[in-house]
Amino acid sequence: TQLLEQSPQFLSIQEGENLTVYCNSSSVFSSLQWYRQEPGEGPVLLVTVVTGGEVKKLKRLTFQFGDARKDSSLHITAAQPGDTGLYLCAGAETGNQFYFGTGTSLTVIP
Amino acid sequence: NAGVMQNPRHLVRRRGQEARLRCSPMKGHSHVYWYRQLPEEGLKFMVYLQKENIIDESGMPKERFSAEFPKEGPSILRIQQVVRGDSAAYFCASSPLPPGKLNTEAFFGQGTRLTVV
Repeated sequence: TQLLEQSPQFLSIQEGENLTVYCNSSSVFSSLQWYRQEPGEGPVLLVTVVTGGEVKKLKRLTFQFGDARKDSSLHITAAQPGDTGLYLCAGAETGNQFYFGTGTSLTVIP
Repeated sequence: NAGVMQNPRHLVRRRGQEARLRCSPMKGHSHVYWYRQLPEEGLKFMVYLQKENIIDESGMPKERFSAEFPKEGPSILRIQQVVRGDSAAYFCASSPLPPGKLNTEAFFGQGTRLTVV
């Protein structure tokens, strides 16, 4: 069973601070997705990274895929209350499911 | 292009009743996944289906739970004789291709929140 471990599990920061969330696995994935989920809603896809070492930017969010395609990070610059939510990474390989991480619950305090 | 549609959004059942959760995938998507989520937790995989076939049901409880994705109509997750421990949010996702193929992505519905009283 492929496992994706996310850290930290919970994070509470002040508005304007920077943060990084990590997603680690012992397995190699052909691609990795990041989702954000708000209370009472379904996960919303933020980005997909494909190539080892790839970096993608989405406004204040920066996503990186590890060189070996086993890990990824999400960095948020100048966090805002609207960034609050549960961040989930998911790995895909040619197989039978998308493997989801354990999740990082982020709270940004105004 | 409508997204993944799940209904109902909220479902209340008494212990022992049956719960039927429906999922209509995005247009053009033939791969459907069901996940369960408890408050403050991540997504737990239940089952992966492709039209009329169960591809992976390794996350499904052996008893009371079943899933189908018929040739016509939505995918159905069925829970028989519900118990309080079945209370959770159930999410459906769909993709146009299998996981890992051409970097396909999964898109989620808004979920069905099942409460067993």
